[in-house]
Amino acid sequence: AQRVTQPEKLLSVFKGAPVELKCNYSYSGSPELFWYVQYSRQRLQLLLRHISRESIKGFTADLNKGETSFHLKKPFAQEEDSAMYYCALRGGGYNKLIFGAGTRLAVHP
Amino acid sequence: NAGVTQTPKFQVLKTGQSMTLQCAQDMNHNSMYWYRQDPGMGLRLIYYSASEGTTDKGEVPNGYNVSRLNKREFSLRLESAAPSQTSVYFCASSGPSGSGVDTQYFGPGTRLTVL
Repeated sequence: AQRVTQPEKLLSVFKGAPVELKCNYSYSGSPELFWYVQYSRQRLQLLLRHISRESIKGFTADLNKGETSFHLKKPFAQEEDSAMYYCALRGGGYNKLIFGAGTRLAVHP
Repeated sequence: NAGVTQTPKFQVLKTGQSMTLQCAQDMNHNSMYWYRQDPGMGLRLIYYSASEGTTDKGEVPNGYNVSRLNKREFSLRLESAAPSQTSVYFCASSGPSGSGVDTQYFGPGTRLTVL
């Protein structure tokens, strides 16, 4: 079964601390993984996708097929990073995304 | 560009009532989607439309119907609302899958409460 697991509902850090939001997936084929973000009072938007291998707003994510993980990392968190983060998987169907439950990142001053 | 718009933003229904959630996009996207989001869960796909004139079931289609009215509009109908359908509903649109422009763009959501 296709599944995305985000084990942490809330991640609370101080400004300047490193951040790692965990995402594990279950999929038998070659998945495509995404991170979406929802800032307060804004709509859900794409942050990054693994095939781009790019850094967006200082965030990076590497697909580890051996560990079936796609963790989101940032070396120095900023207060404006506070938001809900959703990991999503696309596989086995027409552009259909399977979302994790989300992790709320709270960055404190 | 407004992107993806949804109406209404909020709605309260009584059990058994019907209503239609409207979604429109101005990005000339072929594909449109309806998701629901429940507390503690990720978004789950209800229905999608790969292109104008086609619709397909997603993960949780029971209790819903959809209409792809034209390329811009994709509506979601609850024929007989139930409390289990209390949720936040998101519409999204994208270019064709694998096209390089297949990023899904989301609307602001509709918060529906069924009493």
